[in-house]
Amino acid sequence: SYVLTQPPSVSVAPGQTATITCGGNNIGSKSVHWYQQRPGQAPVLVVYDDNARPSGIPERFSGSNSGNTATLTIGRVEAGDEADYSCQVWDSSIEHYVFGSGTKVSVL
Amino acid sequence: QVQLQESGPGLVTPSQTLSLTCTVSGGSIRSRDYYWSWIRQHPGKGLEWIGYKYPHGNTYYNPSLKSRVTISIDTSRNQFSLKVISVTAADTAVYYCARGPTKWGDKNFDQWGQGTMVTVSS
Repeated sequence: SYVLTQPPSVSVAPGQTATITCGGNNIGSKSVHWYQQRPGQAPVLVVYDDNARPSGIPERFSGSNSGNTATLTIGRVEAGDEADYSCQVWDSSIEHYVFGSGTKVSVL
Repeated sequence: QVQLQESGPGLVTPSQTLSLTCTVSGGSIRSRDYYWSWIRQHPGKGLEWIGYKYPHGNTYYNPSLKSRVTISIDTSRNQFSLKVISVTAADTAVYYCARGPTKWGDKNFDQWGQGTMVTVSS
């Protein structure tokens, strides 16, 4: 089955930029979606289709996808951005939705 | 805005059936635009898609769970449900209901419930 690989954690200072990667075989050929999950809260879709933002999501959240790596970038990081971030794709070979293991973003 | 809320027992005995319900408010589950999904998260692990149901047709399950899972919809109550039979400790997880994917091809989940913790233990 298709595997998505994320780093367990990323640390960033307030006001700086956080970069979260999601690796997968030829992931650039798939649409990647990203979810934010604050402790004890429901996941929230923050980026879909590689680089689109749902209504209400700040412009600070952006995405890119090429080759074997997709990236979620959070600009001008705030304390409220501290959360787990997970990537997700649809594996067409078995019509199955796959999630990454998640990356915990800590704001120093 | 559509809201989803899971409900059901927090403790299930091994070999028994896990049953959860998701109540949808602020929108109709009969919408022809959306599928309705269940997703779970084992403690300290990533998210795992369980399956989805379309209110006007098909149901599809994660191949790894297909033999034990049933998702159904009650349009009169604006609810959809999950049943997992023959549970073991490996089914201990937070269970989420979610809206998505869409009928027009968006393969993501745009609204989620708060999640409910289910522990399988005697």
